[in-house]
Amino acid sequence: DAGITQSPRYKITETGRQVTLMCHQTWSHSYMFWYRQDLGHGLRLIYYSAAADITDKGEVPDGYVVSRSKTENFPLTLESATRSQTSVYFCASSELLGTGAYGYTFGSGTRLTVV
Amino acid sequence: ELKVEQNPLFLSMQEGKNYTIYCNYSTTSDRLYWYRQDPGKSLESLFVLLSNGAVKQEGRLMASLDTKARLSTLHITAAVHDLSATYFCAGIPDSNYQLIWGAGTKLIIKP
Repeated sequence: DAGITQSPRYKITETGRQVTLMCHQTWSHSYMFWYRQDLGHGLRLIYYSAAADITDKGEVPDGYVVSRSKTENFPLTLESATRSQTSVYFCASSELLGTGAYGYTFGSGTRLTVV
Repeated sequence: ELKVEQNPLFLSMQEGKNYTIYCNYSTTSDRLYWYRQDPGKSLESLFVLLSNGAVKQEGRLMASLDTKARLSTLHITAAVHDLSATYFCAGIPDSNYQLIWGAGTKLIIKP
């Protein structure tokens, strides 16, 4: 099915563990984004990618690592999870970085709890 | 640096009433996006406003853009419970930059 899918949908992990959130899109969009959403903070950009092997930091990149070996995949890794990383994570994709006719298309989100 | 401010951040209203959500931005924004998010769900694109004076309508929602005033509005007409959601606006300083998001307006419409 065409679209943007995130996995897992829910994840509970322990402090200090490494965890990877997956994002896959089928549109061949050049741009992909990772956001976190927390009450009181709205959407905050973690990292984004313009193409395979091209990534850039967003507003809150500390504690996160991304890679993009293939256009369709953009995994987000928490190298050593902390409680402050408990959040809902959204992946998005877009044909363009900005001024696109459709904006960004979002995945369904991953709710991550770090205990 | 572009900043996007929405107000109100929270709005509780009765069905049948009209109301407006405001989205102000601090510097030039090439275009303005409106998104809707239902509780526990993802963000869904509602409108893309491409130029000054642009107006888009779908059902009971109408969005407009005034680039001179650096203001976009989302007007709700005769609200119904199904429109309860959080609404986000987002602007963009230029084509070489990513979307800048407002904090969102949580709208609750009571039957």
